[in-house]
Amino acid sequence: EAGVTQFPSHSVIEKGQTVTLRCDPISGHDNLYWYRRVMGKEIKFLLHFVKESKQDESGMPNNRFLAERTGGTYSTLKVQPAELEDSGVYFCASSPQLFSGANVLTFGAGSRLTVL
Amino acid sequence: AQSVSQHNHHVILSEAASLELGCNYSYGGTVNLFWYVQYPGQHLQLLLKYFSGDPLVKGIKGFEAEFIKSKFSFNLRKPSVQWSDTAEYFCAVNAMNRDDKIIFGKGTRLHILP
Repeated sequence: EAGVTQFPSHSVIEKGQTVTLRCDPISGHDNLYWYRRVMGKEIKFLLHFVKESKQDESGMPNNRFLAERTGGTYSTLKVQPAELEDSGVYFCASSPQLFSGANVLTFGAGSRLTVL
Repeated sequence: AQSVSQHNHHVILSEAASLELGCNYSYGGTVNLFWYVQYPGQHLQLLLKYFSGDPLVKGIKGFEAEFIKSKFSFNLRKPSVQWSDTAEYFCAVNAMNRDDKIIFGKGTRLHILP
């Protein structure tokens, strides 16, 4: 089975520009998560989709970040306009379980975002 | 809010040394606990997990972790490390009956000297 795929693997943009990150979860996984890791810090939760619905977006930093999961398949995370502090590695993860207590996450390789 | 503390940010050991990485979490209710590992150039992957039952859980590659509820801890251990254990290790917690998100610690970078 194919794993979780993220694109692009690395993006370098200037402050004020827009970037869209994409995540393709494992087929059939209802749960999709976005996390971000800034260098030296924890892997920080951003949001959680169950199918196409946002279950929890409490970790989204601000309204410059927009996540979508149309049709409950792949997801996109758009940053507009990007700021310097948005630099980091954005991880996507998916899991097949719907209820808490059984969420073993499968991670993608991450998308490294560098904002200059 | 939930949080996870990993006490060691960078650990350097020689091969065959014993390993213990500390992890504490802050949540008073029932939890699921995880250790994930990221080997150089690879994805984050699950090392082991605790959901219920025996508080001493065994994972892949000879790793084990012990859940001590009274101490809010879930330390990772391995009796004899190998050079191939060089990686970054993340402790994570999910607060059951609260939400589905999994909260991670800052990670411990482990470097094994050959």
